[in-house]
Amino acid sequence: DGGITQSPKYLFRKEGQNVTLSCEQNLNHDAMYWYRQDPGQGLRLIYYSQIVNDFQKGDIAEGYSVSREKKESFPLTVTSAQKNPTAFYLCASSLLTKETQYFGPGTRLLVL
Amino acid sequence: AQSVTQPDIHITVSEGASLELRCNYSYGATPYLFWYVQSPGQGLQLLLKYFSGDTLVQGIKGFEAEFKRSQSSFNLRKPSVHWSDAAEYFCAVVRSGGYNKLIFGAGTRLAVHP
Repeated sequence: DGGITQSPKYLFRKEGQNVTLSCEQNLNHDAMYWYRQDPGQGLRLIYYSQIVNDFQKGDIAEGYSVSREKKESFPLTVTSAQKNPTAFYLCASSLLTKETQYFGPGTRLLVL
Repeated sequence: AQSVTQPDIHITVSEGASLELRCNYSYGATPYLFWYVQSPGQGLQLLLKYFSGDTLVQGIKGFEAEFKRSQSSFNLRKPSVHWSDAAEYFCAVVRSGGYNKLIFGAGTRLAVHP
């Protein structure tokens, strides 16, 4: 089955800890994206990548980092600098940067 | 700046009733427009999209949407709602620029009464 997988489904972070959210796609898409979803605010773009080894900041990149070493993978690290990390994180991909985006099932991050 | 407005935060309809969810956008050129649906704790599923051509587009699950340039609107409709349609619905528009940045509305939460 082709699609986008995200893991884990739930993630708990302690104060001062960095955590990494996984996103993998087997759709052969070039572009990948990370969004943050908070209640009543829709989705906001954190980072995006159009090709391997290249990525750009979105609207709310502070406190986050990403890498794109493989076409299939676009992990997101939530660093200790992100003071309000509790949210639902969604990964998406598209064939090209002007094409329809398809979303993974999401990871809910909670702070202990 | 481009923006998307979904005026209704919550809507409740009876099963079998018709549905219209409103979406207005602010955009200088012909936009690419999308409707996504999200069940609780899940990712977003694409319902339909408009890029060009016929302004009435059909989507999955019996949904349709109409692009009206004069009103800057892209409202989502369904003639008869099923209980399984209860979810949150997001309208989105692609922003101009060098990459495909989706601008999302805040969402409309749909409840369906039996």
